[in-house]
Amino acid sequence: EEQLLESGGDLVQPGGSLRLSCLVSGFTFDSFCMSWVRQAPGKGLEWVSSISGTGSTTYYGDSVKGRFTIARDNSKNTLYLQMDSLRADDTAVYYCAKDRANVDPYYLDVWGQGTLVAVSS
Amino acid sequence: SYALTQAPSLSVAPGQAARITCGGDNLETYSVHWYQQRPGQAPVVVIYDDSHRPSRIPERFSGSNSGNAATLTISRVEAGDEADYYCHVWDRDTNRGIFGGGTKLTVL
Repeated sequence: EEQLLESGGDLVQPGGSLRLSCLVSGFTFDSFCMSWVRQAPGKGLEWVSSISGTGSTTYYGDSVKGRFTIARDNSKNTLYLQMDSLRADDTAVYYCAKDRANVDPYYLDVWGQGTLVAVSS
Repeated sequence: SYALTQAPSLSVAPGQAARITCGGDNLETYSVHWYQQRPGQAPVVVIYDDSHRPSRIPERFSGSNSGNAATLTISRVEAGDEADYYCHVWDRDTNRGIFGGGTKLTVL
């Protein structure tokens, strides 16, 4: 069974940093793109970032570009999201999601349960 | 930048059909995917690539995409279909993922 388990969510002050992790199992990790999608309280889904199977290509949404960094360690079956210069509007549940494609993102066929990031003083 | 538009809500009686639409400029040139999110749960893909249904999704779910609109149709709606539904595309021109604002389906 394909599973994704996020961790690292926490309460952090504005301007602070946080690193999210997503440990996967049940599939060949380096064969698929991976993504982060977030959902602010009571709001809809927002695509954050994606990364190709090898990790050589990354993509970012305009609201996080320059502040967030996506990465993966294929030897550890783990996806990461380094979040710097956090703002109050980054407060959300962050979902890790597996894509069906290897190079160019396509659609998200498996999702984790999410981890909550709260940015507040 | 490209945007997807969805009606915020839709109410349907049990046993009737629900048609949830997603609008976008020349949307038929994109592959549209649909996700169901029940309260307190993670999203689940119910339709991918306009009209393909994952094996675990009931046949009552179907999709189409033409012109400037894609449609998710749920036939014979049940109480368990009550959820938020989101359309999604990957914009190859800008290399961005885009979600619609979501439609909350209420089963009366």
